[in-house]
Amino acid sequence: DAKTTQPPSMDCAEGRAANLPCNHSTISGNEYVYWYRQIHSQGPQYIIHGLKNNETNEMASLIITEDRKSSTLILPHATLRDTAVYYCIVAYNQGGKLIFGQGTELSVKP
Amino acid sequence: EAGVAQSPRYKIIEKRQSVAFWCNPISGHATLYWYQQILGQGPKLLIQFQNNGVVDDSQLPKDRFSAERLKGVDSTLKIQPAKLEDSAVYLCASSLRGADEQYFGPGTRLTVT
Repeated sequence: DAKTTQPPSMDCAEGRAANLPCNHSTISGNEYVYWYRQIHSQGPQYIIHGLKNNETNEMASLIITEDRKSSTLILPHATLRDTAVYYCIVAYNQGGKLIFGQGTELSVKP
Repeated sequence: EAGVAQSPRYKIIEKRQSVAFWCNPISGHATLYWYQQILGQGPKLLIQFQNNGVVDDSQLPKDRFSAERLKGVDSTLKIQPAKLEDSAVYLCASSLRGADEQYFGPGTRLTVT
């Protein structure tokens, strides 16, 4: 079973920041938080991952709480092409097993 | 850089028939994964290869599913005989040895009637 809890769906206005929450209260000390997204009829796409510190790349930012029991993926300026299912996954790094849950279906609206 | 290639993209078979899917990972990627994604659910790992050796096949229904990765490059996943509940998208992914980022192919949509 997935070790994360995410809201099933969210809406976001185009051009605004999309903040996707994830709860992972049973995360262990060596497990990372990974985010993938899946656009309709495509395979999943890696977005970002982190252990303790906040991370940022060209796609998104990942904010992890100090107790590591929850995190937020931030898409700073959402576009219509960001409409997808977003999966939050906790796993050991470097080849750890990814267990996908139901994810959050993000709809970006004009 | 070419991505993960899969074929066929779509397949329709009758129950009790057999089917095979092919995957060509990104060049140089030592780790290869096969996932099953049933409609409305997240992908589920079936098998993970490191080069041509199996790392994890705990979720593979071995009575009907088999997979191989000869020479540590291409891989095939076979179902024999197929059941109605095998209708799903079969995704192949690859990663550099020990890398965090998995690259997924477009998947093969299987319909069993």
